[in-house]
Amino acid sequence: DVKVTQSSRYLVKRTGEKVFLECVQDMDHENMFWYRQDPGLGLRLIYFSYDVKMKEKGDIPEGYSVSREKKERFSLILESASTNQTSMYLCASRADRGWDQPQHFGDGTRLSIL
Amino acid sequence: SQQGEEDPQALSIQEGENATMNCSYKTSINNLQWYRQNSGRGLVHLILIRSNEREKHSGRLRVTLDTSKKSSSLLITASRAADTASYFCATDESSNTGKLIFGQGTTLQVKP
Repeated sequence: DVKVTQSSRYLVKRTGEKVFLECVQDMDHENMFWYRQDPGLGLRLIYFSYDVKMKEKGDIPEGYSVSREKKERFSLILESASTNQTSMYLCASRADRGWDQPQHFGDGTRLSIL
Repeated sequence: SQQGEEDPQALSIQEGENATMNCSYKTSINNLQWYRQNSGRGLVHLILIRSNEREKHSGRLRVTLDTSKKSSSLLITASRAADTASYFCATDESSNTGKLIFGQGTTLQVKP
């Protein structure tokens, strides 16, 4: 089974801090994704990566950056955390074997910015 | 941008009943996928239906796709309390980016 592991289930940070959310997958998947999930807004794509050192902006990239130095790891960075970034963050990975592959999700990081 | 719109937003049924959830979308797609999310957890992939398929089954799940109406439905038969969760449809756009666009989900409660 594919395993996507997010480093923290719960995280509390202060406004202005630089925050790192880590995601690791163990299936050698090429594609990785970061979403945030908010009540009433569903899942929104922040950034995604097709392969090592590649990144693409999703629908809401403002205030975030990403890093993909190794294939198995995809990091989401909040450059200067703000209260409106309090949310549930979900990481996913997907094999690049055609367009009919599902995404596999981690359990999420519930981030609170005080 | 939101592509999928799901209906109803919330559904409450008794154990043993069937549950039907609907999803509409706006653009051309390669496939449509359904995911389940238990409270406080990540999403779990349930079933994928390709744009050239009309119906697909997996255990107690039945998914239909009508590309002319840009809609899909998920039927869970003989529901169980363990089916209580949120269910999301997601469309894989025909632009082949691999990006999924999720609906806002249907919250299903199955009462024992």
